[in-house]
Amino acid sequence: GAVVSQHPSRVICKSGTSVKIECRSLDFQATTMFWYRQFPKQSLMLMATSNEGSKATYEQGVEKDKFLINHASLTLSTLTVTSAHPEDSSFYICSARPADMLQETQYFGPGTRLLVL
Amino acid sequence: LAKTTQPISMDSYEGQEVNITCSHNNIATNDYITWYQQFPSQGPRFIIQGYKTKVTNEVASLFIPADRKSSTLSLPRVSLSDTAVYYCLLARGFQKLVFGTGTRPLVSP
Repeated sequence: GAVVSQHPSRVICKSGTSVKIECRSLDFQATTMFWYRQFPKQSLMLMATSNEGSKATYEQGVEKDKFLINHASLTLSTLTVTSAHPEDSSFYICSARPADMLQETQYFGPGTRLLVL
Repeated sequence: LAKTTQPISMDSYEGQEVNITCSHNNIATNDYITWYQQFPSQGPRFIIQGYKTKVTNEVASLFIPADRKSSTLSLPRVSLSDTAVYYCLLARGFQKLVFGTGTRPLVSP
């Protein structure tokens, strides 16, 4: 089946530093990937849609200069949390839909736990 | 995409069948009904997807009435290991998925 990986799985950083999270589709190509954020006991909230070769589309209320998204290839999207602060601590999850599959299905990565001290 | 509504939680016992109903009154013609399972600190895992009538796989069954305004996920013989959050979503092409609250079955021994 379609597999999506994320790296790192967990990261702890100091306030003010930047953190990069990678999302890879391992066995399929994905022109579109999605980035979500999930706080404890809450549902997933879409942050942005990552489009290969073009700019990401951000959801309302998500700062594009703080959450930099790059989708440089058909199998890799990166999310960089710039100047991270404790309130950015959360569980970040990406998803992707195989471009050549008939099913209307998105596959999710295992998530990245970010803790900003 | 249209919004979905499902109960936040439901009680059940090990070995029982659990049926989780989802309402999607404003479902569009191109929407596919999709269910995901999420365990704590993990990404959602695809369970099942359907367009109409009934779909069954090794994990669950999905029942969809003719008007498609609701759907029911059926988990046969649940165990404590099935304690997760189950999300009902409408999927359409490459459009974004909108997550609701999800349903957490509370499985008792």
